[in-house]
Amino acid sequence: DAKTTQPPSMDCAEGRAANLPCNHSTISGNEYVYWYRQIHSQGPQYIIHGLKNNETNEMASLIITEDRKSSTLILPHATLRDTAVYYCIVRGGGTSYGKLTFGQGTILTVHP
Amino acid sequence: NAGVTQTPKFQVLKTGQSMTLQCAQDMNHEYMSWYRQDPGMGLRLIHYSVGAGITDQGEVPNGYNVSRSTTEDFPLRLLSAAPSQTSVYFCASSSKRGAKSDEQFFGPGTRLTVL
Repeated sequence: DAKTTQPPSMDCAEGRAANLPCNHSTISGNEYVYWYRQIHSQGPQYIIHGLKNNETNEMASLIITEDRKSSTLILPHATLRDTAVYYCIVRGGGTSYGKLTFGQGTILTVHP
Repeated sequence: NAGVTQTPKFQVLKTGQSMTLQCAQDMNHEYMSWYRQDPGMGLRLIHYSVGAGITDQGEVPNGYNVSRSTTEDFPLRLLSAAPSQTSVYFCASSSKRGAKSDEQFFGPGTRLTVL
């Protein structure tokens, strides 16, 4: 699975959009981009995933560049409860199913 | 559904002791995994299973054994505990059947200290 690079930390004001970047320049054609978050040492929680199209669900939006070498997770209206470590993960299909390779993630702090 | 459950929540062991961390899921998921998380680090895969009777090693398997005799349970055994195994252990499960994503569901974790 391709490696990912994320900034170690970011801040965001409550109510504003939080934009978390991720670089995955060695991603291959069949690899998906996943985002998970971990709130205060709880088990990680799935947020969203995508292959090449932009995706949106009730939690967030995922924007993937056309060359797929980077992506951005957008939390449209951040709240204090969104303070967490956010992990960007690239995962292949087939035998990689059920396995995730975590980096160190981005610590997002949402402040009042 | 209870989701993914793990016991115990906390455990303290002495070097050389053995123990089993329990993990169970009630979602009929075929994939189950064990991860460990050291302070300030991301999770690392220890062992995983793609179904009952089938297990394989992850990134950091040494010192751990697993078995998968049922779909629901995936215990992790520490054979002879060492201080380097002090960590938080997470179990996760997922299913490929009818799923649009490999959404893994994580348990609450077991915090293990080896003295």
